[in-house]
Amino acid sequence: QQQVKQSPQSLIVQKGGISIINCAYENTAFDYFPWYQQFPGKGPALLIAIRPDVSEKKEGRFTISFNKSAKQFSLHIMDSQPGDSATYFCAASTPGGYQKVTFGTGTKLQVIP
Amino acid sequence: GAVVSQHPSRVICKSGTSVKIECRSLDFQATTMFWYRQFPKQSLMLMATSNEGSKATYEQGVEKDKFLINHASLTLSTLTVTSAHPEDSSFYICSARRRGGLDEQYFGPGTRLTVT
Repeated sequence: QQQVKQSPQSLIVQKGGISIINCAYENTAFDYFPWYQQFPGKGPALLIAIRPDVSEKKEGRFTISFNKSAKQFSLHIMDSQPGDSATYFCAASTPGGYQKVTFGTGTKLQVIP
Repeated sequence: GAVVSQHPSRVICKSGTSVKIECRSLDFQATTMFWYRQFPKQSLMLMATSNEGSKATYEQGVEKDKFLINHASLTLSTLTVTSAHPEDSSFYICSARRRGGLDEQYFGPGTRLTVT
């Protein structure tokens, strides 16, 4: 019930294109869905996050789309750039004091010039 | 703001020795800190959660006597890998949740541990 499934495992996109990464979850108690970007040898950095009462959130070139009934959410990176090449993790957490984050399996994105 | 540091960034130790990794929140007070382990090309695996001044809560399968966590203050948590073995070699990452904040967790840069 704590699992978060992420796809694809890897993604190659041309510069200027749209990168789309999808995640699905089972636990309906999740109420916070962040996306993290991780470069090799570095810790993850929070990119953007959404709560289930909103269907879409946009910050710059990054957009989260959220479908509560389908228990799915996705990250769209518009106008993808070579500097966006990194591993992206979706995640989900439940409310409460500790708010443990359950991570997806990760998507390695490569943006080619 | 919301910067988390880790020290050291890399450490090599011999089998059987102990290694301490520090995690600090530099510009905020952290009520809760988390320790993760990440193997190459894999996702992050939560090892334990700690609140300041209380004992850490370990995830299933994580040996609490091997991975000692101390959360001494609102800005410092330490992870000590005791009697390290080569299979403990990994990338260890901490994160912190801001006191009075919402749900965001801020991650440190990670510590690469190699046990020879």
